[in-house]
Amino acid sequence: AQTVTQSQPEMSVQEAETVTLSCTYDTSESNYYLFWYKQPPSRQMILVIRQEAYKQQNATENRFSVNFQKAAKSFSLKISDSQLGDTAMYFCASDDNYGQNFVFGPGTRLSVLP
Amino acid sequence: DAGVTQSPTHLIKTRGQQVTLRCSPKSGHDTVSWYQQALGQGPQFIFQYYEEEERQRGNFPDRFSGHQFPNYSSELNVNALLLGDSALYLCASSWSDRGAGELFFGEGSRLTVL
Repeated sequence: AQTVTQSQPEMSVQEAETVTLSCTYDTSESNYYLFWYKQPPSRQMILVIRQEAYKQQNATENRFSVNFQKAAKSFSLKISDSQLGDTAMYFCASDDNYGQNFVFGPGTRLSVLP
Repeated sequence: DAGVTQSPTHLIKTRGQQVTLRCSPKSGHDTVSWYQQALGQGPQFIFQYYEEEERQRGNFPDRFSGHQFPNYSSELNVNALLLGDSALYLCASSWSDRGAGELFFGEGSRLTVL
């Protein structure tokens, strides 16, 4: 079974600064996918960034990038130039290669301070 | 292009009652997954429907059941409600042909059991 752990229940960052959210996972799958999802207050969950485990290059989406360490089973999210709109719950998640076993971590509540 | 829509958005039930939640997937998606998100926690996988069959199920009792219709929409039914069933119920849709593709979420149905 897959498991996802996020050890930081809450974090805060000043506007325009950089913050890194941590995630570790465990899986027996040989190929899998990792995701970061954002859930703003009272709004729906949206995908921030996705990483395919067989790709060594770290994924990047504008101000969002990941540090994927496959051997250590670590998948951290870096947010650069933080904006007030980044305030949200962030969930790390993993899935097997077939889209049938999506597992979420407990989440990190990020507050961006003006 | 309509995204994932869920109804109702909020509802209040009493212990022992039954509830039905509804979900229409994003246009073009054929797979629907249901998640339970307790307050302050990450989503927990309930089950996934594809081709009108339950394809995968999480660790939830038989009181939780579902259905998928030919138009890919889905229902989640919960019988004999318990106080602990109070949560945000999220529906997510995806396209089976994409393997572990992105999940698109609805805004959720918030269930309160008194």
